[in-house]
Amino acid sequence: NAGVTQTPKFRVLKTGQSMTLLCAQDMNHEYMYWYRQDPGMGLRLIHYSVGEGTTAKGEVPDGYNVSRLKKQNFLLGLESAAPSQTSVYFCASRSHRGTEAFFGQGTRLTVV
Amino acid sequence: AQSVAQPEDQVNVAEGNPLTVKCTYSVSGNPYLFWYVQYPNRGLQFLLKYITGDNLVKGSYGFEAEFNKSQTSFHLKKPSALVSDSALYFCAVRWHNNNDMRFGAGTRLTVKP
Repeated sequence: NAGVTQTPKFRVLKTGQSMTLLCAQDMNHEYMYWYRQDPGMGLRLIHYSVGEGTTAKGEVPDGYNVSRLKKQNFLLGLESAAPSQTSVYFCASRSHRGTEAFFGQGTRLTVV
Repeated sequence: AQSVAQPEDQVNVAEGNPLTVKCTYSVSGNPYLFWYVQYPNRGLQFLLKYITGDNLVKGSYGFEAEFNKSQTSFHLKKPSALVSDSALYFCAVRWHNNNDMRFGAGTRLTVKP
C-alpha cells in the first residue's frame, strides 16, 4: 500500500546543476501536483497535471519543468538549480471523483 | 485569484482545553475546503473536508470544522486538546471550476501538558 512515493528523499545540488524529482502513485489518480514548502509560506503550487500527457502552471512555475508521460508518474525537473530553489518539495495526487489529495513524504533539496 | 489565509502563525493551548485554528478564504464561487496536518519530517495528512451540505464537518482524531459562508471561514476545532495534537496545520481550498489547490501558510499548534 505505497500511495504516493517520492524519489529521492534528500539531495544536495550545486548551483547550475540539473536534476529530476520523481513522483509515483499507485492509486490510479488522474490529478497530480508538485508543491514546494518554505518556512512561513506554506505550500505553494509549482505545476500540476489533470491527466496523462497534460500539465499546467501553478503559482510559482519559473525555473521548473514537469512531465506526465505515464499516468502514475509526475516528474519535476530543475534545469539549472539556484539557491532560491532550496526547499522541501511535496507531490500529491487525487482521483477524478475524489476531492482530497494524498501526499508523498517530501524531498528535501538543498542548492549550494 | 483564489486564496486562503491562516491569520495565526502559532496557537498555544493547554492539554484538555478546546482549540481553534482559524482559516479564511477569498470570495469567488463555491469552494471545497480542507484541513491537513503535518508532523515533523512527514508529508501532509488529510483531516477533514467540506464539500456541501451540513456546515459542521467531523474528521479524524476528534477534529471538526465549521464552514461559515457569510464570514468565508472554515475554522478547525477540537473540544479537548491532546499533547499529541501538536503539529503544523494547513487549510486548503479548491474551487469547483478549478483544478489547482491552494494552501494557507500554516499554523503551528502547540499543546502543553
